[in-house]
Amino acid sequence: ETGVTQSPTHLIKTRGQQVTLRCSSQSGHNTVSWYQQALGQGPQFIFQYYREEENGRGNFPPRFSGLQFPNYSSELNVNALELDDSALYLCASSLEQRGFGTGELFFGEVSWLTLL
Amino acid sequence: GDSVTQMEGPVTLSEEAFLTINCTYTATGYPSLFWYVQYPGEGLQLLLKATKADDKGSNKGFEATYRKETTSFHLEKGSVQVSDSAVYFCALLSNFGNEKLTFGTGTRLTIIP
Repeated sequence: ETGVTQSPTHLIKTRGQQVTLRCSSQSGHNTVSWYQQALGQGPQFIFQYYREEENGRGNFPPRFSGLQFPNYSSELNVNALELDDSALYLCASSLEQRGFGTGELFFGEVSWLTLL
Repeated sequence: GDSVTQMEGPVTLSEEAFLTINCTYTATGYPSLFWYVQYPGEGLQLLLKATKADDKGSNKGFEATYRKETTSFHLEKGSVQVSDSAVYFCALLSNFGNEKLTFGTGTRLTIIP
């Protein structure tokens, strides 16, 4: 058990809808990263939050947004859902020193998003 | 840009067999290299890492050596067990300003008793 929890774990949406995924980080961690994993692919970096500020973003459109709360938990929001958004979404927490990445991430359970 | 190429799966081995999962990378600068593992029904977890050339990462009987000359980080284990059945991901970190890992596509390993 990593202490990282995600919710919801399974959800079904239709095109154009909006979704919010939530992640609680491991105690003592100050950084949350979000990844998308399409079927048969490795995880792709969406963005990261370090001490409530976005600190790095992958190649995802602006309709993917997020935030981090003072307790370091985080949300991922996806607007105007498209069929290609069907994927696993992974949240990971870590402890960074002054925004210096280590690559040592603690992942929770995934969220399965299905678009009908 | 950065990329990781992993050995195509799935891989099926008998218990106690020798395991190699190949991983090569392309990156700017001097990345750190990782192997993550995903056991059935669980989230990804870090298996081992190496931060500079010629470093060897090891954990749970698995080893991988950071080879800068061949840009490789192959995963090896001398004698696999049924409990090693999982999906293995090779990854790199080249921008140390954040936790943007670049992952390979994963290799599914099944060990038969």
